Amino acid sequence: NSKVIQTPRYLVKGQGQKAKMRCIPEKGHPVVFWYQQNKNNEFKFLINFQNQEVLQQIDMTEKRFSAECPSNSPCSLEIQSSEAGDSALYLCASRGTGGNYAEQFFGPGTRLTVL
Amino acid sequence: GQQVQQSPASLVLQEGENAELQCNFSSTATQLQWFYQSPGGSLVSLLSNPSGTKHTGRLTSTTVTKERRSSLHISSSQTTDSGTYLCALNYGSSGNKLIFGIGTLLSVKP
Repeated sequence: NSKVIQTPRYLVKGQGQKAKMRCIPEKGHPVVFWYQQNKNNEFKFLINFQNQEVLQQIDMTEKRFSAECPSNSPCSLEIQSSEAGDSALYLCASRGTGGNYAEQFFGPGTRLTVL
Repeated sequence: GQQVQQSPASLVLQEGENAELQCNFSSTATQLQWFYQSPGGSLVSLLSNPSGTKHTGRLTSTTVTKERRSSLHISSSQTTDSGTYLCALNYGSSGNKLIFGIGTLLSVKP
């Protein structure tokens, strides 16, 4: 039911390398979210955007990630220097204009493995 | 901070049996969503139900806001229902990020 597109599906990087993943939200959805799901099924919110502006991000994202959501281009999330602990499933979600009541719809995720 | 607890952690059923999954949360939320996550990782939104009862197909969700709990009932389970069921809440804070539970791992045997 979701039309959120994420690429690549799988990403393998060495420690210290950059890791970049992309997301195309559902058409007409102004808000985009990135979450990290670790091997213990724990979800961590990373950052969200409304149109091209950052709404909220956690400290880790601000320090180690580069993220953007340019108009007419895919959103992207890039780890500047990958660490073993970054190995996880990265999920992108988008929601429409229903405000606090709007559902979020997720893409299939990018599974990152840092060797 | 806000907490979301799901039970049971895992559940094994025979095909055709019904499943009842629980979600308890620490404070009332603006929005509550139930998701299905396949073994491959894709997350599918099943129901959005911040209060009351909602049905879709074989799924029924009942959320009792004042008791801070929600349930997901799966009737006549099928092997293709196997996977992880996640409850997630939005507290209406900046950007409306979701807070997830750890999930219930459902396995339906033929």
